[in-house]
Amino acid sequence: AQSVTQLGSHVSVSEGALVLLRCNYSSSVPPYLFWYVQYPNQGLQLLLKYTTGATLVKGINGFEAEFKKSETSFHLTKPSAHMSDAAEYFCAVSDRGDTGRRALTFGSGTRLQVQP
Amino acid sequence: DSGVTQTPKHLITATGQRVTLRCSPRSGDLSVYWYQQSLDQGLQFLIQYYNGEERAKGNILERFSAQQFPDLHSELNLSSLELGDSALYFCASSQDSPYGYTFGSGTRLTVV
Repeated sequence: AQSVTQLGSHVSVSEGALVLLRCNYSSSVPPYLFWYVQYPNQGLQLLLKYTTGATLVKGINGFEAEFKKSETSFHLTKPSAHMSDAAEYFCAVSDRGDTGRRALTFGSGTRLQVQP
Repeated sequence: DSGVTQTPKHLITATGQRVTLRCSPRSGDLSVYWYQQSLDQGLQFLIQYYNGEERAKGNILERFSAQQFPDLHSELNLSSLELGDSALYFCASSQDSPYGYTFGSGTRLTVV
């Protein structure tokens, strides 16, 4: 069974500082990997995804993540935090298996606070 | 607007009651997924339908059921509600691809 671990339920950074949100997965084969963001009282929005190919993935709003198979990690970074980045971030994985069985397994989420 | 429509946005009901949550997927998407988000359990996959048929089941209670209709909209039925069923219920839709999917804005269910 797949699992996702997000280290740090709360991360606080200053505006302009580097954002690093950690995600490690456990899976028998490398899964598809995703980062979603959830703003208060809203649904989940896809930030970026890794399916195949280049291991450094760029997403929306200046975020990027690097798939490291040897470390089973998919950490999310942004060089310079903006106040509008304050939200909850979820790492998720889905199976490469049966076509169409794409249920996501989510991590527990990391709440990002950005201090002025 | 993500293109996935969920109704109602908020629902308050009493223990023991039954409710139906509705989801209209994005145009062209054949798969619909239901997720529950609660403070203690986080985001949990409940069930997936693909073109009207159940495709995968997650941590869905026997008191809960779902279906997908010929027009591809889906309904999640929750019965014999308990206080612990209070949560955000999300629907997501996708084409049959590995490229993630689109979430609706959710239905907040409060059981009192």
